[in-house]
Amino acid sequence: NAGVTQTPKFQVLKTGQSMTLQCAQDMNHNSMYWYRQDPGMGLRLIYYSASEGTTDKGEVPNGYNVSRLNKREFSLRLESAAPSQTSVYFCASTGSLSGNTIYFGEGSWLTVV
Amino acid sequence: QKEVEQDPGPLSVPEGAIVSLNCTYSNSAFQYFMWYRQYSRKGPELLMYTYSSGNKEDGRFTAQVDKSSKYISLFIRDSQPSDSATYLCAMGAGGTSYGKLTFGQGTILTVHP
Repeated sequence: NAGVTQTPKFQVLKTGQSMTLQCAQDMNHNSMYWYRQDPGMGLRLIYYSASEGTTDKGEVPNGYNVSRLNKREFSLRLESAAPSQTSVYFCASTGSLSGNTIYFGEGSWLTVV
Repeated sequence: QKEVEQDPGPLSVPEGAIVSLNCTYSNSAFQYFMWYRQYSRKGPELLMYTYSSGNKEDGRFTAQVDKSSKYISLFIRDSQPSDSATYLCAMGAGGTSYGKLTFGQGTILTVHP
């Protein structure tokens, strides 16, 4: 049981380049989330998908887009990367069968130079 | 002012000590409260979850919530070197917002032998 899987784990981008972070969960969860973690800031919600076919903005959505491809997969896209988007990105999921547990992936380290 | 405030530490204690970690919050809509542990270069993992004022115990860990004071705590008894990690408090409003968490900044804890 893999849980929440994120790819890539590490990525270096040049300013202005685009890229997509992939996330997949195998727990049949309805809800999926993208957070970013910066030093001294904790984790902040970027976008979330309460169920397949829906997406909504979180606290810090500017510069990002998301796609809920199907129930398993939720991707995060940076259309034109900026140094301010250098961060660690975490995907998370939860569902009715997981009780109160929100499961996080291992993280994706992104550096924009 | 941030919605959730957490002393970032760092906190260094000897093995066997009792550790107290704390968060304060300002949003009265928060209904459930979590503590996550995060090892270096890993995703957060859920330690404790509670939605009512009072204490909840799980092994060496006790979570305490005081909604009237908007204050939550995590106590670790008989701390071990393996408890060395970053501890994050998180809270949410529940209902359709479940999973949309607001995190504290995290407290770095080191337990030395």
